[in-house]
Amino acid sequence: KQEVTQIPAALSVPEGENLVLNCSFTDSAIYNLQWFRQDPGKGLTSLLLIQSSQREQTSGRLNASLDKSSGRSTLYIAASQPGDSATYLCAVSYEGQNFVFGPGTRLSVLP
Amino acid sequence: ETGVTQSPTHLIKTRGQQVTLRCSSQSGHNTVSWYQQALGQGPQFIFQYYREEENGRGNFPPRFSGLQFPNYSSELNVNALELDDSALYLCASSLPGGKETQYFGPGTRLLVL
Repeated sequence: KQEVTQIPAALSVPEGENLVLNCSFTDSAIYNLQWFRQDPGKGLTSLLLIQSSQREQTSGRLNASLDKSSGRSTLYIAASQPGDSATYLCAVSYEGQNFVFGPGTRLSVLP
Repeated sequence: ETGVTQSPTHLIKTRGQQVTLRCSSQSGHNTVSWYQQALGQGPQFIFQYYREEENGRGNFPPRFSGLQFPNYSSELNVNALELDDSALYLCASSLPGGKETQYFGPGTRLLVL
C-alpha cells in the first residue's frame, strides 16, 4: 500500500529560525513529489515540485530534497517568518497522476 | 491564485441527499482530479478525468461520480450523503503526463447533518 507520512505533526518555532520538515513514502516508484502549503480552510498552494530524476529544488527561502532510494524528502525553510505559519503537505505522484498525500505538518512561527 | 475555481464555497446538506460540486480548470489544462480532505487530514484522491473520461479512481464508493465537459470543467456528484462525507472537496487541474504540477482550487466545504 502506498503511504506517505510526515514528521513532525506540529512544530512551533520563533521567528528567524531555520527548520526542516520531513516526508517519508513507502513506494519509491514515484513520478514526482510535490510540497504544498495550506492555510486554514483554504485550498493548496504548490511550493516546489521535484521530478523523480531530480535530487532537489529551490525557491527563495525554500529548498526541497528527494532521496528516492530511501523514500524520503525534506523541506528546508530558511529564516522563518510569521507569514510562513500554515500546514505543509507532502504529496507523491504515482502512475495515473493521482497524488498520495501525507497528513501534513502544522507550522507556527512566533513573532 | 491558480486560476482554478470551485463552486459553491460552502454547502450544508442532510443525510441521504445528493450534492453536485463544480470546478473550472486552469486555462489549457485538460486533466482534472478531485480530492476529499477530512478535518486534520491530508487530501484523499477520489478520481481523475482526462478528455471527458475517468482516468483513475481512488478507494471511494460508486455513489461518488463525476463528469468532465468539453471545456474541461468538471462536476463531482455524491449521492445518498452520509455524515462522514463532511469534508473539504478540492479539485486540481494539470496538463497530462504524470510529471506536471497540479494546481488546486480553493475547495468546497460540505457539511452533512
